[in-house]
Amino acid sequence: AQKITQTQPGMFVQEKEAVTLDCTYDTSDPSYGLFWYKQPSSGEMIFLIYQGSYDQQNATEGRYSLNFQKARKSANLVISASQLGDSAMYFCAMSRAGNTPLVFGKGTRLSVIA
Amino acid sequence: GAVVSQHPSRVICKSGTSVKIECRSLDFQATTMFWYRQFPKQSLMLMATSNEGSKATYEQGVEKDKFLINHASLTLSTLTVTSAHPEDSSFYICSASRTSGYTFGSGTRLTVV
Repeated sequence: AQKITQTQPGMFVQEKEAVTLDCTYDTSDPSYGLFWYKQPSSGEMIFLIYQGSYDQQNATEGRYSLNFQKARKSANLVISASQLGDSAMYFCAMSRAGNTPLVFGKGTRLSVIA
Repeated sequence: GAVVSQHPSRVICKSGTSVKIECRSLDFQATTMFWYRQFPKQSLMLMATSNEGSKATYEQGVEKDKFLINHASLTLSTLTVTSAHPEDSSFYICSASRTSGYTFGSGTRLTVV
């Protein structure tokens, strides 16, 4: 079975600073995908970044980058130059190959301080 | 981009009544829809997987007679909460999988009074 672990219930970061949100995963599947989503108070799920298990390079999307360490089974999200609008819940999720649902971690609440 | 329209966004209903939540894929065909429930300050938990034209597959502990899922067309999947009770109050959100990733509806906040 797949499992996602996010050990940081809450994080604070100063505006304009970088922050790393931790995510470790467990799976026996050789092919899988790792996702990060942002969920503001409105509840919508905003896709941030994706990393495939066979991708050689770490994924980057604007201010978001994914620090993928396959041997350690970690997929940490790095947000650079934090903005007040980054304050939200952040979920790490995993998918298996094929038409399968995402499995989510418990989430990390990020608060950006001015 | 791909959009899943979910309605209603908020609903308040009386205990014992039924509520239907719709998820409609606007510009693509969603053969599979995943339904999640999220309690306050918790993560998204998968309730069921619906495939167009077939019966939904429910996760362990989810009452199939209480949470009726219908996926009658490639663009519409519905979740009906029957005989709702206050403990069913939650945030319900659907997600369609595509080759390019997952598309989420905007969610439905259900309050049962």
